Amino acid sequence: GENVEQHPSTLSVQEGDSAVIKCTYSDSASNYFPWYKQELGKGPQLIIDIRSNVGEKKDQRIAVTLNKTAKHFSLHITETQPEDSAVYFCAASSQTDSWGKLQFGAGTQVVVTP
Amino acid sequence: ETGVTQTPRHLVMGMTNKKSLKCEQHLGHNAMYWYKQSAKKPLELMFVYSLEERVENNSVPSRFSPECPNSSHLFLHLHTLQPEDSALYLCASSPVAGTEDEQYFGPGTRLTVT
Repeated sequence: GENVEQHPSTLSVQEGDSAVIKCTYSDSASNYFPWYKQELGKGPQLIIDIRSNVGEKKDQRIAVTLNKTAKHFSLHITETQPEDSAVYFCAASSQTDSWGKLQFGAGTQVVVTP
Repeated sequence: ETGVTQTPRHLVMGMTNKKSLKCEQHLGHNAMYWYKQSAKKPLELMFVYSLEERVENNSVPSRFSPECPNSSHLFLHLHTLQPEDSALYLCASSPVAGTEDEQYFGPGTRLTVT
């Protein structure tokens, strides 16, 4: 099955700086890579996703890049704001599972300090 | 009420108790999921239901028993739990059971087993 590793586990940034979270996956057949944001006391919420036929996707201050050869993908947050403080999870879907379930990373706690 | 709701939000139970977690989605989705979230670990998929039929049972101990009476409601019945079962239990739904549909998460039930 799929195995997803996520780094770093915690990330502190100054407001206005950029934050980068990196994930690697093991199954070369995976083709869908979402990112979820979880705020305190809430469930995870999808913020951006990318499919394997695309190398980069951007939505305002958030961007995701995918390197299929190296089997890693990254989340980039620019001009960070205090409301970006949350736990971020990457995930990948493995096509070797008949159902194709999502495998999540362990999460990155992002703290944006004013 | 909109989105995915879960009750109760917090639950403390002894190892000999029987309790149930409830999830309700108001999104018209056909797939519902139970996840277990433990500190510093990836989200663990427990069960998946598609149109009220269980399509995934991810090697979950029998002390956890899911029930899906209709596509809007999902229950997780708990009995004779262990302290290591203490975690945040998240319910999610999606339009269909498949990894490329966004999953909408509820806020979770924080379970403590004493």
